[in-house]
Amino acid sequence: GNSVTQMEGPVTLSEEAFLTINCTYTATGYPSLFWYVQYPGEGLQLLLKATKADDKGSNKGFEATYRKETTSFHLEKGSVQVSDSAVYFCALRGTYKYIFGTGTRLKVLA
Amino acid sequence: DVKVTQSSRYLVKRTGEKVFLECVQDMDHENMFWYRQDPGLGLRLIYFSYDVKMKEKGDIPEGYSVSREKKERFSLILESASTNQTSMYLCASSERLAGEREQFFGPGTRLTVL
Repeated sequence: GNSVTQMEGPVTLSEEAFLTINCTYTATGYPSLFWYVQYPGEGLQLLLKATKADDKGSNKGFEATYRKETTSFHLEKGSVQVSDSAVYFCALRGTYKYIFGTGTRLKVLA
Repeated sequence: DVKVTQSSRYLVKRTGEKVFLECVQDMDHENMFWYRQDPGLGLRLIYFSYDVKMKEKGDIPEGYSVSREKKERFSLILESASTNQTSMYLCASSERLAGEREQFFGPGTRLTVL
């Protein structure tokens, strides 16, 4: 069945450091892939998405590329800010259901 | 601005009580979902609904039921709350058929069962 695996956290970085959060998936076909972000005390909100192989999703300085050959959708940002501190979820969409990874907590220190 | 709202942000109930969690969306979405979120376990799907009066079990339906009488409203019911149902509950909605469409989430209800 479909599944998503993402790196365990927490990830602690200094401000302006480079960020990578790894995400790999198992799926039949070519599902759409998503990154969601959850700020403290809030629900999840969409950060970016990609709908087919080699697509790059981007938003707020974050990027992720849909890699079919490695079944990966790693999240990157060149220079993180304190305000990026949150929990990040990788997800894919099946027919009706969405499959989420367990989440990676990011803490950015000033 | 699209919106998914949940009836309570925080709720405290006693063991054995019947608990209702309400969710309303204003996007005319066909699909609605209930998840619970626990540390280290991520989001786990409890139930989802793809149309009015239709429901499907998710991965952890035991101890829960749902109701969808109107398209915009999806209720989660804990018939007899237990302490192991203490959790964050998230409601979400999405369009039915477009595979590239994302889910929209509510702010969550943090339920504590004493």
